[in-house]
Parts: sequence; C-alpha cells; structure tokens
Amino acid sequence: AQSVAQPEDQVNVAEGNPLTVKCTYSVSGNPYLFWYVQYPNRGLQFLLKYITGDNLVKGSYGFEAEFNKSQTSFHLKKPSALVSDSALYFCAVRDPYNTDKLIFGTGTRLQVFP
Amino acid sequence: DAGVIQSPRHEVTEMGQEVTLRCKPISGHDYLFWYRQTMMRGLELLIYFNNNVPIDDSGMPEDRFSAKMPNASFSTLKIQPSEPRDSAVYFCASTDRGLIAEQFFGPGTRLTVL
Repeated sequence: AQSVAQPEDQVNVAEGNPLTVKCTYSVSGNPYLFWYVQYPNRGLQFLLKYITGDNLVKGSYGFEAEFNKSQTSFHLKKPSALVSDSALYFCAVRDPYNTDKLIFGTGTRLQVFP
Repeated sequence: DAGVIQSPRHEVTEMGQEVTLRCKPISGHDYLFWYRQTMMRGLELLIYFNNNVPIDDSGMPEDRFSAKMPNASFSTLKIQPSEPRDSAVYFCASTDRGLIAEQFFGPGTRLTVL
C-alpha cells in the first residue's frame, strides 16, 4: 500500500537550535512529496514540495526538506528554530494511482521551547 | 484571493439533528476536497470533486453523510442525522491540476455533537 510515515508524534527543540521532523514514504514510481503545517485552530498551510530536480527543497518560513531516494525519506529541517514554529506538521505524498489525491502522514507536533 | 472559505467556523448541535457545512473554493480551482480531522484517526479524506462532479466518495463513513457541489464556487457536506462520534474538525481544500496536487485548505469547521 502507498503510505507515508512520520515516526515521531512529538519533537521538542530549544529555540535557536536546528530542528528536524522526519518523514519516510513508500510509493510506487517517483514520489511527489509535500510538507504542510497546521497552527492551532487553523487549516493546513503548504510549506514546500518536491517534484523533481535538486534534492534540497526550500520553502516558506525558512524551512527546507531533503529528498533522499535511497532512504525513501523527506525530512523537514530548519537551521534555527523559533518558538513560533511550534505547530503540527504533516508530510504527504501524491497517490501514484490517483494523482488527484494526497496521502497524509499522521502528523508530528513540534514544540519549540524558549 | 480570500482563500478557501468555510462556514460556520463552529457548530454545536444535538444528536439527531441535521448539520450542513459549507465551502467556497478558491476561484479557478477545479478540485474540491472534504477532510475530517480527529485525534484518534488523524486527517481523513471523505470525498472529492472535479469540475463539480464527485469522483471518489470512498471515505464517506456512512449514508448519513452526503456532499454536493451544485456549482464551481460552492459545496456542502451534510450529516443527517448527526451522532456524537461525528464530532471533529471538517476541512475543505481546493486545487487545480496545474498545481500538481498542492492543496489549499480552509480554516475548518469545528463540529460538536452533544
């Protein structure tokens, strides 16, 4: 089955430190990968996507993600975390059998402490 | 553009009552998705439309749920009769094919069924 896994329910990091939110995928063919962020009481907001090309993708709010085909991973990173980055982060992959749809992970809650 | 608009933002109702959630997609987008988010089940795709036509309703939990899209700028999700287990946040999202599945989410409707 096509799927996305976010192995950590929560990630805690101190403000100013680098952060990583992990995502691995299992899909047929070349994956189209996405990261979304959800702030409290808000809808999901698009952060970045990987379609093809450079394995390092830069997105909104200083976030970036690295596509690693051999490890089937697409980890979200930021060099220096802010308290305002605290939110719920979702990794998603386009369903290769129904390219209209996204398959979402279960989400990782990022908590940045001052 | 105002983004995806959903109404109401909050709905509290009693078991057995009919509930109607509304969504206005971004102008020009030809895909519309309805999702449900709960702590237990995460983010679930209920149904999606393309050019106002329902394409995949396999995620609709029961016959109590129905969705319509009478025109390109309006969709409804109806629950009749509602049950306490329907309590969740319901999101609407829209996109078009040129965005390669990147979806734009509304702010959601928080439904509480007593």
